[in-house]
Amino acid sequence: KAGVTQTPRYLIKTRGQQVTLSCSPISGHRSVSWYQQTPGQGLQFLFEYFSETQRNKGNFPGRFSGRQFSNSRSEMNVSTLELGDSALYLCASSLAKRELGNEQFFGPGTRLTVL
Amino acid sequence: AQKITQTQPGMFVQEKEAVTLDCTYDTSDPSYGLFWYKQPSSGEMIFLIYQGSYDQQNATEGRYSLNFQKARKSANLVISASQLGDSAMYFCAMSYDQTGANNLFFGTGTRLTVIP
Repeated sequence: KAGVTQTPRYLIKTRGQQVTLSCSPISGHRSVSWYQQTPGQGLQFLFEYFSETQRNKGNFPGRFSGRQFSNSRSEMNVSTLELGDSALYLCASSLAKRELGNEQFFGPGTRLTVL
Repeated sequence: AQKITQTQPGMFVQEKEAVTLDCTYDTSDPSYGLFWYKQPSSGEMIFLIYQGSYDQQNATEGRYSLNFQKARKSANLVISASQLGDSAMYFCAMSYDQTGANNLFFGTGTRLTVIP
């Protein structure tokens, strides 16, 4: 079974631009969550999508948005990029269960550098 | 507010020895889940072990065990018989009923180095 895939793996943008990151979950997984990892703030939850709807949202500004397609693939968009948006963006997929022990499977991440 | 604390930025262990990575948490929610993830230099987070707040027994998965002390609010990871491939960052994380099962709150991590 293929794992979670994220594209692109590396991205370089300049301030003010926008960027779209893609995540393909494990087949059969309907929940996709996004996380941002930076040296200063660590790992932080961005949002979760299930059945094309945002089910949960972290504490990030509106410049960060996402969507999910009918095949469960998800995209994340960041508009008006700032230097502080440089980070590793991780996507995680899981079954749709809302149980606390629900295991999330992470992708390799997209490393975004904002110049 | 919920909080996860990992006080060991870095740890060293001799190959084949056991090592304990510390994790404490703070929550008023009676229902929560505790996770440990491993992050190699490649960046991908690898699930290691899970413990539910109502679980009576400590979780074990192969060489990994979770020393869950609910009254002390600690969830330490024990790795037995360390291997060179265990060198990585290790993160403790929590999820809560109130914020959603798939919303994980992570600690700052511990970098483990296994010495041959």
